[in-house]
Amino acid sequence: AQKVTQAQTEISVVEKEDVTLDCVYETRDTTYYLFWYKQPPSGELVFLIRRNSFDEQNEISGRYSWNFQKSTSSFNFTITASQVVDSAVYFCALSEDSGYSTLTFGKGTMLLVSP
Amino acid sequence: DTEVTQTPKHLVMGMTNKKSLKCEQHMGHRAMYWYKQKAKKPPELMFVYSYEKLSINESVPSRFSPECPNSSLLNLHLHALQPEDSALYLCASSQVPGLATDTQYFGPGTRLTVL
Repeated sequence: AQKVTQAQTEISVVEKEDVTLDCVYETRDTTYYLFWYKQPPSGELVFLIRRNSFDEQNEISGRYSWNFQKSTSSFNFTITASQVVDSAVYFCALSEDSGYSTLTFGKGTMLLVSP
Repeated sequence: DTEVTQTPKHLVMGMTNKKSLKCEQHMGHRAMYWYKQKAKKPPELMFVYSYEKLSINESVPSRFSPECPNSSLLNLHLHALQPEDSALYLCASSQVPGLATDTQYFGPGTRLTVL
């Protein structure tokens, strides 16, 4: 069965610091997809990125970057020069390409960025 | 446009009340989801509708009754709820039901309090 582990429950940083959120996954499928969502205090889950298991290229989008390493089953998320608006809970999620696919979420990491 | 709307934003109800939550999307998505999220926890899947038919019910108590009147609308009817049902209820939609690569887009949620 699939599983997503976000070992960091809460991270506190000061504005402009870089921060990395860890995500480790378990799956028996060779084809799977990994996602990151952001949930600000307002409650809505905002989609950030989707990555498939065959694409190990790192991705950068502005201050956000993602490092996917199949060898360690990790899909880590780095925010460069963090800002107060980055304060939120971040969820990593996995979907497998077998049967009727649904999302398996990690427990989330709360990021607090202080001025 | 990746907007999913939910009404109401907040709801307070007594244990004997009957109320409904509403979710709407106009992205042409054919899969719609209800999730329940307790504080400091990840979203938990409750129901999935595929092409307006219920395809997944994650053993949800019958006091929660979903309905999908058409491809754009999803309702969750609530009756005789318990205080432990107080939570954030999130609706989501995705383009193709059951497809692992498909991204789920979430609404802002309804914060439900049961007294």
